Amino acid sequence: SQKIEQNSEALNIQEGKTATLTCNYTNYSPAYLQWYRQDPGRGPVFLLLIRENEKEKRKERLKVTFDTTLKQSLFHITASQPADSATYLCALGSGAGSYQLTFGKGTKLSVIP
Amino acid sequence: GAGVSQSPSNKVTEKGKDVELRCDPISGHTALYWYRQSLGQGLEFLIYFQGNSAPDKSGLPSDRFSAERTGGSVSTLTIQRTQQEDSAVYLCASTVWGTGAYEQYFGPGTRLTVT
Repeated sequence: SQKIEQNSEALNIQEGKTATLTCNYTNYSPAYLQWYRQDPGRGPVFLLLIRENEKEKRKERLKVTFDTTLKQSLFHITASQPADSATYLCALGSGAGSYQLTFGKGTKLSVIP
Repeated sequence: GAGVSQSPSNKVTEKGKDVELRCDPISGHTALYWYRQSLGQGLEFLIYFQGNSAPDKSGLPSDRFSAERTGGSVSTLTIQRTQQEDSAVYLCASTVWGTGAYEQYFGPGTRLTVT
């Protein structure tokens, strides 16, 4: 069965460092992968999308990589700030004609001042 | 502009009662999703509406769960004879089908507690 794993339930990092979150999947061939941020008591907010034929995407301090051979995506936040503290979810989509996203359980990131 | 709204934000109900949860998607968004998020769990897909097509109900956990979408806009998720295991946050999301991006815009959720 399809499985998505995010490397850890919680990750603590010092302010200013780069946070790296991992999303691994098995028994899946996604056409694209998305990352969302979720704050307590709120719905997820879309951050970035990367397609299967793309290796890397950047948006401000965020960078996402997608390795379909390793079946892995890495999500980096550079120069992390306490305001980056949140739960980050990865989600996989099968592609054209498929409208469903399959979400991982998320990684709770805490950036310590 | 207005985002996805959901009501109520919190609902406490007794086991065995029926509840209705409402979702107002972003205007013009043709696709609407319902998810359930339990403590420590990922988002669990429940149901999907797209335009006038028949909804995909494949994620509904039992026949106690049903959903409607009226006029291609507002949606209501109904849970009949609620059980304690139904306690969770119910999230609604909408998107514009056909853009190729399929990013979903989520509402704040309804926290359901069944006592």
